[in-house]
Amino acid sequence: GDSVTQMEGPVTLSEEAFLTINCTYTATGYPSLFWYVQYPGEGLQLLLKATKADDKGSNKGFEATYRKETTSFHLEKGSVQVSDSAVYFCALRAGGGADGLTFGKGTHLIIQP
Amino acid sequence: NAGVTQTPKFQVLKTGQSMTLQCAQDMNHEYMSWYRQDPGMGLRLIHYSVGAGITDQGEVPNGYNVSRSTTEDFPLRLLSAAPSQTSVYFCASTLYQGGNEQFFGPGTRLTVL
Repeated sequence: GDSVTQMEGPVTLSEEAFLTINCTYTATGYPSLFWYVQYPGEGLQLLLKATKADDKGSNKGFEATYRKETTSFHLEKGSVQVSDSAVYFCALRAGGGADGLTFGKGTHLIIQP
Repeated sequence: NAGVTQTPKFQVLKTGQSMTLQCAQDMNHEYMSWYRQDPGMGLRLIHYSVGAGITDQGEVPNGYNVSRSTTEDFPLRLLSAAPSQTSVYFCASTLYQGGNEQFFGPGTRLTVL
């Protein structure tokens, strides 16, 4: 079945550091890929998405590129802020669009001032 | 728009009790779904619905029932609560099946003693 693997956390960085959170996937067909963010005590919010190979999703300084050849969708940000502290989930929706999203286990990001 | 709303925010049950978690959306979305979030497990799909009168099982449906009598509402019923159902439950909706953004509710934190 479909699956998403992302790096385990917590990831602790200093403010203004460069961020990479790795995400790789296994899926049949041509999935759409997503990054969601969850702030403490809240639900998930869509951060960015890519629907086909080589697409780059971007939002709020975060970027991720859909790499079909490496089945990856790594999240990057050039300079993180304390307000970026949250849990980040990589997810995919199978090409058939049938039954919801498949999520990774989440990466807890902590940014220290 | 209120988006996706869930009630209650917190609930404590005793083993064997039943209850219904409420979910409503005011965006006229066709597709709605329920996930549970457990530490280190990410989110797992419980049930989903592609429209009023139509529901189907996700990855972890056992112990839960759903119905979809209206477009707006998608309640999740626990028939006989068990400690293994202690979790945070999220409801989500998408404009249509296969749509690219799921909107999540704020979650219900359920503890079963």
